[in-house]
Amino acid sequence: EIVMTQSPATLSVSPGERAILSCRASQSVRSFLAWYQQRPGQAPRLLIYGASTRATGVPARFSGSGSGTEFTLIINSLQSEDFAVYYCQQYVNWPRTFGQGTKVEMK
Amino acid sequence: QVQLQESGPGLVKPSETLSLTCTVSGGSISHYYWNWIRQSPGKGLEWIGYIYFSGSTTYNPSLKSRLSLSVDTSKNQVSLNLNSVTAADTAVYFCARGTYCSSVSCYQFPFEYWGQGVLVTVSS
Repeated sequence: EIVMTQSPATLSVSPGERAILSCRASQSVRSFLAWYQQRPGQAPRLLIYGASTRATGVPARFSGSGSGTEFTLIINSLQSEDFAVYYCQQYVNWPRTFGQGTKVEMK
Repeated sequence: QVQLQESGPGLVKPSETLSLTCTVSGGSISHYYWNWIRQSPGKGLEWIGYIYFSGSTTYNPSLKSRLSLSVDTSKNQVSLNLNSVTAADTAVYFCARGTYCSSVSCYQFPFEYWGQGVLVTVSS
């Protein structure tokens, strides 16, 4: 199976600043990479698919990039509602696999 | 707007079978892969398996020997049965819609719609 590795595990950021999250795949997933946001007690919410396409209703401050094995999620001008856990996930192969998550916390 | 709702017992005894149902509303169950995903307390996300509306399935190899998924298109429902459960199966279980298939081809897609999840605890 494809192993997804996210870094850092925790990111401390002040409101209004930029957060940069990384995700690495153990083999190429081409652009079949998604990012999710999960707030406490909620289901994950799809933010980005195809490595760089925002899902419906996702604010423009979220952007994704990368292909192959290296991917990045950037959150510009962090808002209070953005403090959450973010997961990357590959959907090129079965079983689908997720990274272990990056927690974005308030500094 | 597509909505998914998981239902089932919140407590299951060790060695017994965990059974959950996901009811889909606001859209047809046809032409999509319907997935189950779980999240152990304080942990990350694990994909369990999917079922297509035709009944074809793919399971996570780590759970394949204990897992069975089924679909009832007349009720717009998919169901999960996981037997011989242990404490390690304690988790929040989510259903989610994924890949779309037309009559010609399938389009790989991540999990766009999710249920709110149901916590299942395995304990005597």
